[in-house]
Amino acid sequence: GDSVTQMEGPVTLSEEAFLTINCTYTATGYPSLFWYVQYPGEGLQLLLKATKADDKGSNKGFEATYRKETTSFHLEKGSVQVSDSAVYFCALYSGGGADGLTFGKGTHLIIQP
Amino acid sequence: GAVVSQHPSRVICKSGTSVKIECRSLDFQATTMFWYRQFPKQSLMLMATSNEGSKATYEQGVEKDKFLINHASLTLSTLTVTSAHPEDSSFYICSASGQGIWEQYFGPGTRLTVT
Repeated sequence: GDSVTQMEGPVTLSEEAFLTINCTYTATGYPSLFWYVQYPGEGLQLLLKATKADDKGSNKGFEATYRKETTSFHLEKGSVQVSDSAVYFCALYSGGGADGLTFGKGTHLIIQP
Repeated sequence: GAVVSQHPSRVICKSGTSVKIECRSLDFQATTMFWYRQFPKQSLMLMATSNEGSKATYEQGVEKDKFLINHASLTLSTLTVTSAHPEDSSFYICSASGQGIWEQYFGPGTRLTVT
């Protein structure tokens, strides 16, 4: 079945550091890939997405490229801020109808001033 | 953007009692709603998918008689945990999508603690 593997945290960085959160997946066919973010006390929010190979999703300075050859969708940001502290979930959707998403375990990111 | 609410945000109940959690789409018609469960330090696990007006489809290993799901209208789905036990303590999250739209909008979650 489908699965998503992402690096476990917590990941602690200093403000303005470069961020990479690795995500790899296993799925049949050609899934759509997502990064969701969960800020403290809030629900999940879609951060970015990519629906086909080589697509790059980007939002709020974050970006991730759909790499079919390596089955990866790593999240990157060039200069993180304290406000980026949150839990980040990589997810995929491979259903043709109203199917749920498959999530990774989440990576807790802590940015220190 | 689309807003999904959940109520209550936190609930504590005694073992053996039943608890109902509501999930509402506030500004769109949710033809499909999903219920997830999140264990500490683990990913969200899909429990069931419900389409308005029809029976929910449960994932393997999820007891449908224990986790009753009702999706009676296009804006409301409920999850009832029947005869709750401490092992049912978890964070339950719903999401919703509209007709022809596969993007899901997530609720803020409900923390259930069974004592």
